Amino acid sequence: EVQLVESGGGLVQPGGSLRLSCAASGFTFSDYEMNWVRQAPGKGLEWVSYISSGGSTIYYADSVKGRFTISRDNAKKSLYLQMNSLRAEDTAVYYCARAWGYWGQGTLVTVSS
Amino acid sequence: QSVLTQPPSASGTPGQRVTISCSGSSSNIGSNYVYWYQQLPGTAPKLLISRNNQRPSGVPDRFSGSKSGTSASLAISGLRSEDEADYYCATWDDSLNGRVFGGGTKLTVL
Repeated sequence: EVQLVESGGGLVQPGGSLRLSCAASGFTFSDYEMNWVRQAPGKGLEWVSYISSGGSTIYYADSVKGRFTISRDNAKKSLYLQMNSLRAEDTAVYYCARAWGYWGQGTLVTVSS
Repeated sequence: QSVLTQPPSASGTPGQRVTISCSGSSSNIGSNYVYWYQQLPGTAPKLLISRNNQRPSGVPDRFSGSKSGTSASLAISGLRSEDEADYYCATWDDSLNGRVFGGGTKLTVL
């Protein structure tokens, strides 16, 4: 069974940093591109970042470019999102998603003083 | 303002057929596959339609997708109360080099 489990969310002050993780199981992680997608409270879905299966190709949404860094460790079957210079508007549930299909249950990031 | 345009709401009675539209441009829907997601309250999105019109295993055949030019649509036939959810279209945008979503359509079963 495909499973994606996010962790690392929490409350952080504006300007602070947080690192999200996504642990994958039930499939060959190194075969799949991965994404981070977020959803602000009561709002729609917003794509954040993409990383290819081998990690050589990376894309970011303009709203996070220069502040967020996506990475993966295929040996550990894990996806990461390093978030720096966090702003109130980054408050959202962050989901990791395998290609276009499976999504994790999400982890809540709250940026507030 | 979402890159893909969806109606904010839709409704129907049990047994009816409803359609949700998704409008884009040549750089996104016009040149890439469209995907549809269903999000029940308090849960993660679930893939409903893949590659314009393919149903993943386990998705009832009451759900169907289509695409024409720079628009796509999701049709739900035999509407049921459990279909009440938010629905999102998504695709890749070649100009933005990123995934884009519609703003979402809240479906109400009356």
